[in-house]
Amino acid sequence: EAGVTQSPTHLIKTRGQQATLRCSPISGHTSVYWYQQALGLGLQFLLWYDEGEERNRGNFPPRFSGRQFPNYSSELNVNALELEDSALYLCASSLEDSRRTIYFGEGSWLTVV
Amino acid sequence: QQQVKQSPQSLIVQKGGISIINCAYENTAFDYFPWYQQFPGKGPALLIAIRPDVSEKKEGRFTISFNKSAKQFSLHIMDSQPGDSATYFCAASGTSGSRLTFGEGTQLTVNP
Repeated sequence: EAGVTQSPTHLIKTRGQQATLRCSPISGHTSVYWYQQALGLGLQFLLWYDEGEERNRGNFPPRFSGRQFPNYSSELNVNALELEDSALYLCASSLEDSRRTIYFGEGSWLTVV
Repeated sequence: QQQVKQSPQSLIVQKGGISIINCAYENTAFDYFPWYQQFPGKGPALLIAIRPDVSEKKEGRFTISFNKSAKQFSLHIMDSQPGDSATYFCAASGTSGSRLTFGEGTQLTVNP
């Protein structure tokens, strides 16, 4: 069974640009979560999508946004990139009836220069 | 109140020794406490989890101890191996949603 897949693996953007990261959940999983892992700052919750709706949002500015598609895949958009947005962005998914157990992908490295 | 405090930040253990990582929380609404293991270049993987109705859960060499009154829980890795070298994160979530709150992480190094 395929795990959570993310693309791209690495992305380099210039300050002020926009970045789009993509995630495909494990087959059958309807919830998708996004986390930011910056160096030395642990895992910070960004967004939770379920059944196409945004269910919860972490303490991040509005330039971090996303969506979930009918096939449950998801996209994270970061607008007006800042140098401190450089981080590993992790997507995770879970079954609707087991939302506590989330499975992570390997992440997308975003570097803002 | 949403924070989970994890210690130590880094830990070095000899092969065969016991690795102990501790976490503390404030939010009494938390009722699910997983541990994740992350190898370099990989996403975190669920290792073991516990709910507050039990004080200990063991899976192989990994044991979670839970102290509800102290609002603390810990991960014990028995007979630590070099392959256990990774970053370990504790986490917690409550019934209000699926938002996992993670600790800061512990970088474990097991020397051969």
